[in-house]
Amino acid sequence: QKEVEQDPGPLSVPEGAIVSLNCTYSNSAFQYFMWYRQYSRKGPELLMYTYSSGNKEDGRFTAQVDKSSKYISLFIRDSQPSDSATYLCAMSPAGGAQKLVFGQGTRLTINP
Amino acid sequence: DSGVTQTPKHLITATGQRVTLRCSPRSGDLSVYWYQQSLDQGLQFLIQYYNGEERAKGNILERFSAQQFPDLHSELNLSSLELGDSALYFCASSTAQGAKGYTFGSGTRLTVV
Repeated sequence: QKEVEQDPGPLSVPEGAIVSLNCTYSNSAFQYFMWYRQYSRKGPELLMYTYSSGNKEDGRFTAQVDKSSKYISLFIRDSQPSDSATYLCAMSPAGGAQKLVFGQGTRLTINP
Repeated sequence: DSGVTQTPKHLITATGQRVTLRCSPRSGDLSVYWYQQSLDQGLQFLIQYYNGEERAKGNILERFSAQQFPDLHSELNLSSLELGDSALYFCASSTAQGAKGYTFGSGTRLTVV
């Protein structure tokens, strides 16, 4: 069993829809949770960063962490074609310079 | 431009050969990480260096090795290449504070034929 599970999709939705992306994990030591966005043939870029449980909002993006269920989510409101990319969840057990454990990534397409 | 520079961008080589991938971290970052990304495996952690010393090791094959030099650039050496080694290889760097300051390069696409 992988430490981090993420549905690879692909996921295709119309422009303006609310998108929900999710990851589950098995390691209860994970404390830091991130979402990365990766455009085709580019390196991943950090989108959202959350410590422990709770919600964090940044513009059209909301990240949620439920440590009791070992479940994290990313919501995208008013989705745009420019949001089409692969979204990867990542997590680590501690702060500082630590390796990240990534989900497989969900390929998202927003159709105009 | 993320500030993390990887060269070359593309590499095509034959089975059995040896290649070296290079990474220059973002200015001020002491930690360098190498990841392999293939279609069916996602981003897999290979190895981490911090200020010249190996800090953590993932599922890195014995045919692969890496080092970080005094100027903090890092090289990933892949030898006795097999078809299955074809993948995107990413380097990331971070500050001592880690995850929030984690920045990826644009990757090296390795094709083994």
